[in-house]
Amino acid sequence: EAQVTQNPRYLITVTGKKLTVTCSQNMNHEYMSWYRQDPGLGLRQIYYSMNVEVTDKGDVPEGYKVSRKEKRNFPLILESPSPNQTSLYFCASSTLTVAGNTDTQYFGPGTRLTVL
Amino acid sequence: TQLLEQSPQFLSIQEGENLTVYCNSSSVFSSLQWYRQEPGEGPVLLVTVVTGGEVKKLKRLTFQFGDARKDSSLHITAAQPGDTGLYLCAGLGSNDYKLSFGAGTTVTVRA
Repeated sequence: EAQVTQNPRYLITVTGKKLTVTCSQNMNHEYMSWYRQDPGLGLRQIYYSMNVEVTDKGDVPEGYKVSRKEKRNFPLILESPSPNQTSLYFCASSTLTVAGNTDTQYFGPGTRLTVL
Repeated sequence: TQLLEQSPQFLSIQEGENLTVYCNSSSVFSSLQWYRQEPGEGPVLLVTVVTGGEVKKLKRLTFQFGDARKDSSLHITAAQPGDTGLYLCAGLGSNDYKLSFGAGTTVTVRA
């Protein structure tokens, strides 16, 4: 079954304690992306990756790191989480079309993070 | 400030009525996508529009991309309770691969 998986689904942590949210897709997609969703703000892109070892900043990259060592995995790292990073996080993946657009984006189930 | 402004923010209508959601920007996009999101789930793609002036129909849903590729609209004809959800538009940058989302329109269709 084609899917994007995220772990953990729920996480409560404390300020400053490093954490990693994993994301994995089994569709051989080139494009992967992380978003955060906050009430009234919609989804905001944190980082995206066009392919292995290629990552770029989205609209809200501050306080986050990513890596793309393998095509299927795109972990999101919070080196020193702060309360303003409490949010619902989504990972997504898609192919890139010949015309240079992203095709259908498949979203993971979301990770609800609370930083105390 | 959102790159894409969606309006209205909330919409509550009676079953059988029509509705239109707007997505506007001052930026040009290489493509624009519309998603629907149910509570507790990730967004699901409804359509992608690529060409300025393009109109796409998906059963009772009609999507339009503005001629200048800066704005889009979603029109639902004869809305049903199953159309209830959060509708999001997203634009792909014309010079990069950033995907910017609007804040969303919460649609409620009352039976």
